[in-house]
Amino acid sequence: GEDVEQSLFLSVREGDSSVINCTYTDSSSTYLYWYKQEPGAGLQLLTYIFSNMDMKQDQRLTVLLNKKDKHLSLRIADTQTGDSAIYFCAEAETGRRALTFGSGTRLQVQP
Amino acid sequence: ETGVTQTPRHLVMGMTNKKSLKCEQHLGHNAMYWYKQSAKKPLELMFVYSLEERVENNSVPSRFSPECPNSSHLFLHLHTLQPEDSALYLCASSQVYGELFFGEGSRLTVL
Repeated sequence: GEDVEQSLFLSVREGDSSVINCTYTDSSSTYLYWYKQEPGAGLQLLTYIFSNMDMKQDQRLTVLLNKKDKHLSLRIADTQTGDSAIYFCAEAETGRRALTFGSGTRLQVQP
Repeated sequence: ETGVTQTPRHLVMGMTNKKSLKCEQHLGHNAMYWYKQSAKKPLELMFVYSLEERVENNSVPSRFSPECPNSSHLFLHLHTLQPEDSALYLCASSQVYGELFFGEGSRLTVL
């Protein structure tokens, strides 16, 4: 079955880069997503990457995809305290509405 | 009201109660979802309603019963729940595959 795995916790200092990693098992995934959940809020789509790409950059965010190893990462440059949140990796199969999410990585940014 | 609204935000119920969670989306989307969020576990898809499909996760117990009277409203009816059902229940909607807009969630505690 589908499985998305992430480490549970990451702590960085303000101004450093953060790298959040994710592995997935479904080789038919067409899109891979990163969502962010701030305290007391629902999830918010941050960015996504199509499976035939290996990199996507959007301002401070860089998504890297290694399709051979089924490994996805999200790099946040110049991490700020406002980036403290839980980050979820998710995958979608072709033609399916539902996303399969990981457990989320809690990012803590130290001032 | 904008976005996806969930009520109630917090609910405490006994194991013999019957209650309902309500979700309303004001985005004109054509699909709605229920996800369950438990600590340190992957988000669990419970139900999807869209024009193309109605998906039920077969592992969801029958004490959870969804209702989708129209494309803007989604309910989750709860009956004789167990303490392990305590979690954050997230509603989402989408128009584009994979781009989900989440509500803030309903925090359920079962005593």
